[in-house]
Amino acid sequence: GNSVTQMEGPVTLSEEAFLTINCTYTATGYPSLFWYVQYPGEGLQLLLKATKADDKGSNKGFEATYRKETTSFHLEKGSVQVSDSAVYFCALKAPNDYKLSFGAGTTVTVRA
Amino acid sequence: GAGVSQSPRYKVAKRGQDVALRCDPISGHVSLFWYQQALGQGPEFLTYFQNEAQLDKSGLPSDRFFAERPEGSVSTLKIQRTQQEDSAVYLCASSFAWDHQYFGPGTRLTVL
Repeated sequence: GNSVTQMEGPVTLSEEAFLTINCTYTATGYPSLFWYVQYPGEGLQLLLKATKADDKGSNKGFEATYRKETTSFHLEKGSVQVSDSAVYFCALKAPNDYKLSFGAGTTVTVRA
Repeated sequence: GAGVSQSPRYKVAKRGQDVALRCDPISGHVSLFWYQQALGQGPEFLTYFQNEAQLDKSGLPSDRFFAERPEGSVSTLKIQRTQQEDSAVYLCASSFAWDHQYFGPGTRLTVL
């Protein structure tokens, strides 16, 4: 079946540090890949997505590249802010399917 | 515009009670999804509606769980005879197309 494995947290960083959250997946075919973010007290929000190999999704300074050869979709940001403190979820959607399969989430805390 | 709303935001139930969780999707969204998120885990798919038709209920964990969307808009997730293992956050999402699901803030259910 389809599954997502993401780096365990929690992750604590200082402001302006570099952030990487690893995500690998198992799926047949070419799934769409997503990063969702959940800020404290809020619902899940789509952060970025990629729908085919070598696509790069980007938003709010975050980037992730769909790597078919390593079945990975790692999330990166060059300089984090306190406001980036949140839980980050990697997810996939199989071709011609509607449901999302999520990783367990990574809690990121950025200190001033 | 208004996003997906869910009510109540918090629900405490005694074991054996029935509960009903409401989801108001974004107006015009055809697809509606329910997910269950256990503590420290990613969301897990429960069920999917297209308009009023429940096309997939493969993720419902037992026959105590029932969902409906009678007019193709508001949806209700009902859990009968709640058990402690039902304690989780229940997330509703809606979408116009399958590639972007908009999530509500969730209902946190605690079964004592």
